[in-house]
Amino acid sequence: EDQVTQSPEALRLQEGESSSLNCSYTVSGLRGLFWYRQDPGKGPEFLFTLYSAGEEKEKERLKATLTKKESFLHITAPKPEDSATYLCAVQAPAAGNKLTFGGGTRVLVKP
Amino acid sequence: EAQVTQNPRYLITVTGKKLTVTCSQNMNHEYMSWYRQDPGLGLRQIYYSMNVEVTDKGDVPEGYKVSRKEKRNFPLILESPSPNQTSLYFCASSNLRSNRLAAQETQYFGPGTRLLVL
Repeated sequence: EDQVTQSPEALRLQEGESSSLNCSYTVSGLRGLFWYRQDPGKGPEFLFTLYSAGEEKEKERLKATLTKKESFLHITAPKPEDSATYLCAVQAPAAGNKLTFGGGTRVLVKP
Repeated sequence: EAQVTQNPRYLITVTGKKLTVTCSQNMNHEYMSWYRQDPGLGLRQIYYSMNVEVTDKGDVPEGYKVSRKEKRNFPLILESPSPNQTSLYFCASSNLRSNRLAAQETQYFGPGTRLLVL
């Protein structure tokens, strides 16, 4: 069974204090790893897709990396508007097109 | 504007009273899906559909039904709701790719429907 574990569950940062979020996964052949941002009361918003180990993608202050066992979402010099819950999900061939989500990391950036 | 819409956004009902949550997308996406989100359990897939008249069970399909008669619509039906179906529900859609490692492109989510079953 595919499993996705995100850590930490919650993260409090000062504005400008860089940090990383972890997404560990166990799947039978990774088809894709997805990062989403979710604001309170809203649906998840797509950030990145990573397909193979070694791949990196960047968007503004966010950078996602992928290894064979985990993915990291690095937040560089965060601002209060980066406060949100960040979700990681994996897709595996054995599971068809199903996405398996982790529990998320709640990030709070204080000014 | 590309979007996924859900209705209603909020619903309070009683045990056993049938209800339908509608979902519609305007992006001509083949793939549509329903999730529920619960504290401590994250997002779990209920049902998905890869095209019109093609639906399949996700991780937690018990107590739910879906239909896909048109490409743009994917309603979620609770025939006899129970309190354990109190949750936040999301509909999502995406295109399908057969020539990439990942079968899906970006998945767009609706704004959510908060359901309380008394």
